[in-house]
Amino acid sequence: DGGITQSPKYLFRKEGQNVTLSCEQNLNHDAMYWYRQDPGQGLRLIYYSQIVNDFQKGDIAEGYSVSREKKESFPLTVTSAQKNPTAFYLCASSIATGANYGYTFGSGTRLTVV
Amino acid sequence: QQQVKQSPQSLIVQKGGISIINCAYENTAFDYFPWYQQFPGKGPALLIAIRPDVSEKKEGRFTISFNKSAKQFSLHIMDSQPGDSATYFCAARGGYQKVTFGIGTKLQVIP
Repeated sequence: DGGITQSPKYLFRKEGQNVTLSCEQNLNHDAMYWYRQDPGQGLRLIYYSQIVNDFQKGDIAEGYSVSREKKESFPLTVTSAQKNPTAFYLCASSIATGANYGYTFGSGTRLTVV
Repeated sequence: QQQVKQSPQSLIVQKGGISIINCAYENTAFDYFPWYQQFPGKGPALLIAIRPDVSEKKEGRFTISFNKSAKQFSLHIMDSQPGDSATYFCAARGGYQKVTFGIGTKLQVIP
């Protein structure tokens, strides 16, 4: 079955540590996105990528970095510069242009600072 | 800046009743308005969507009403069931397929 796989499901980060969240899709979608979900704040866009080797900052990119070396993969690194990283992180993908398709989301990674 | 305003943030409806969630947007360049349903611990899933040149779209018990002049749209869930209990997000798509989400509505359907 086609879909998006996020791993790990739960992740714990120590102060000053960088952590990387994995996102892999087999939908042959061109565009991929990272959102952060906090209670009462909805989903906020961190980074997005329309094509391999290209990505753009979203609304809350500070303290995060991404790469897009393969069409299938869009990992997110939460750096030590992100002062409040505890949240639920969601990866999504879509057809880049044209037709009215929504996003397909992964099941999320819950990151907690310990 | 909240480009998509959603209300209410929480909603309790009796089984069999109608659940209504409202959203308003500011950017007239938005061209696609999806609704997502999210169960606890899971990612959101596309529920139903509408284009701005259509005033209403119905899929089963779910209906979107769209008022382009007022820049408002709403989700109606008819005959609400306990299995509909979830968080619902309205959204609007702009350039580069970027989607802006509302704050979410936590729906609880009680027997």
